[in-house]
Amino acid sequence: DAGVIQSPRHEVTEMGQEVTLRCKPISGHDYLFWYRQTMMRGLELLIYFNNNVPIDDSGMPEDRFSAKMPNASFSTLKIQPSEPRDSAVYFCASSPFSPGIEQYFGPGTRLTVT
Amino acid sequence: GENVEQHPSTLSVQEGDSAVIKCTYSDSASNYFPWYKQELGKGPQLIIDIRSNVGEKKDQRIAVTLNKTAKHFSLHITETQPEDSAVYFCAASIGGGANSKLTFGKGITLSVRP
Repeated sequence: DAGVIQSPRHEVTEMGQEVTLRCKPISGHDYLFWYRQTMMRGLELLIYFNNNVPIDDSGMPEDRFSAKMPNASFSTLKIQPSEPRDSAVYFCASSPFSPGIEQYFGPGTRLTVT
Repeated sequence: GENVEQHPSTLSVQEGDSAVIKCTYSDSASNYFPWYKQELGKGPQLIIDIRSNVGEKKDQRIAVTLNKTAKHFSLHITETQPEDSAVYFCAASIGGGANSKLTFGKGITLSVRP
């Protein structure tokens, strides 16, 4: 079975540009999560969805970040405008049962903002 | 909220030896404790998990033990191999709840010397 799929795997952009990260969760999983990983902060939960509905976005750093899940097989995380401090690895994860159990992570998108 | 800590931050062992990685948590209501392995350039991979109604769980060379009274749990890897070298994350949650979230530790870097 295919795991969580993320694209692109690497993204390099200039400050001020819009960045869109994409995720396809595991089929049948009701929960989708967006995380950010940095050396300083570790893994941070940004937002999660249940059945395509955003449930908790308290981890979204600021209004420059937005996330959508138009259907059960696709989600996007958008940063507009991007800043150098947004440089990090962004992971998408999905879970079949509950937001607190058995999360399966994608390979991540490494974002570099110059 | 929950606080998960891992000690030590790095661990080096000789190939064939055992490795033990420890985590502590703060919320006595937590009842689900997964371990993730993250190899360089990849996303965290769920390798084993334990629920609070059991004290130990094994899967081939890895095992996890839980001490609810002391609020700590440990990952045991026997007969370590170079491919076990990775960053290992522990996490905790009040699993099963509609609003539960995984709280991750900062990670431990395990190096297995050939």
